[in-house]
Amino acid sequence: AQRVTQPEKLLSVFKGAPVELKCNYSYSGSPELFWYVQYSRQRLQLLLRHISRESIKGFTADLNKGETSFHLKKPFAQEEDSAMYYCALREYGNKLVFGAGTILRVKS
Amino acid sequence: SAVISQKPSRDICQRGTSLTIQCQVDSQVTMMFWYRQQPGQSLTLIATANQGSEATYESGFVIDKFPISRPNLTFSTLTVSNMSPEDSSIYLCSAPGQGLGETQYFGPGTRLLVL
Repeated sequence: AQRVTQPEKLLSVFKGAPVELKCNYSYSGSPELFWYVQYSRQRLQLLLRHISRESIKGFTADLNKGETSFHLKKPFAQEEDSAMYYCALREYGNKLVFGAGTILRVKS
Repeated sequence: SAVISQKPSRDICQRGTSLTIQCQVDSQVTMMFWYRQQPGQSLTLIATANQGSEATYESGFVIDKFPISRPNLTFSTLTVSNMSPEDSSIYLCSAPGQGLGETQYFGPGTRLLVL
């Protein structure tokens, strides 16, 4: 079965420190991966997708097929980055399989 | 993108009753999805709602408990039937945006508390 693993429930960093939110996956085909973010009292929204290879709000994520990882990174964390982050894998039929989520807390 | 609305935003229900959640998309989409997010947990797909055919349920979810309607390409409902406190969750619907390979966009969710 397809799985998405986010090993950290909570990641706490100081403002200005680098951030790395880990995501590993298992998938038998060619994976399509996403990072979703949910800010306090807001709906779940797409942050970025691996095929776009873009940087959103300073975040990047590279798909590493050898390590089956899709870690989310930002060189300098900001307080407004505090949120819940979900890694997700798209399956056949356009279904999403979500990881357990990681709470990012950026302290001033 | 797609703009998705849900009603109600929250409700408190008595056990044994049923609640129907509505989901409206601002564009026509072939598939809509219903997810459940139990307290402190991630999102789990309940079913895929296809227009013109029966919904497809994931393992662990059955039509008798979660009947779904999909009367047209912009609307779907999910009913949580014969509720128990274990059904207390956030229920979210989603739909893909326009364009090939577009990712999913989510509604704001319906927060359900069953007493």
